[in-house]
Amino acid sequence: GAGVSQSPRYKVAKRGQDVALRCDPISGHVSLFWYQQALGQGPEFLTYFQNEAQLDKSGLPSDRFFAERPEGSVSTLKIQRTQQEDSAVYLCASSLTRTHYEQYFGPGTRLTVT
Amino acid sequence: EDKVVQSPLSLVVHEGDTVTLNCSYEVTNFRSLLWYKQEKKAPTFLFMLTSSGIEKKSGRLSSILDKKELFSILNITATQTGDSAVYLCAVFPGSARQLTFGSGTQLTVLP
Repeated sequence: GAGVSQSPRYKVAKRGQDVALRCDPISGHVSLFWYQQALGQGPEFLTYFQNEAQLDKSGLPSDRFFAERPEGSVSTLKIQRTQQEDSAVYLCASSLTRTHYEQYFGPGTRLTVT
Repeated sequence: EDKVVQSPLSLVVHEGDTVTLNCSYEVTNFRSLLWYKQEKKAPTFLFMLTSSGIEKKSGRLSSILDKKELFSILNITATQTGDSAVYLCAVFPGSARQLTFGSGTQLTVLP
């Protein structure tokens, strides 16, 4: 079946521009996570949704980062006024239920801010 | 602060060699440890370990957890060039739902 998909796969933004990254989780998966992965590092948690509720946003690095999942399926991560330190791969993951530990990852969006 | 440390950071071997990748952790209220393989795309799930001393095996890959010493190892026998990837270790700490990852081990298998 279809896995987690993300779009765009690559995004180049000029510093100061706003960007929106999309995640389509596996159909029926309740939990959705966003992670940020810098070059040569493991993914770092940004935020977590259970259905449409954003239960944890403790990993968002600043108030320029905003995520939503209005209908409990597709999620969008928005970064306002991008800065060079925002350059990273943004990974989305989903899991079947809130008690399911196994997370399935999408291919990521590589964001480069110039 | 929760911490996951992987070693070595990188490893270069030849096809047919056996490798052991290490993952140590310090987390509050540990629940499970997961291994992922990441090529130039999405991390793909390998194993989830919850109990000490029980080996999980899938083909040439195997993994075991030691909850007393707070570490896990991932073994790959008879390595192939297709095993070249970053191997990520992650844990579920406390009441959080998100994974805490190590920085990964870059494995390169030469023909």
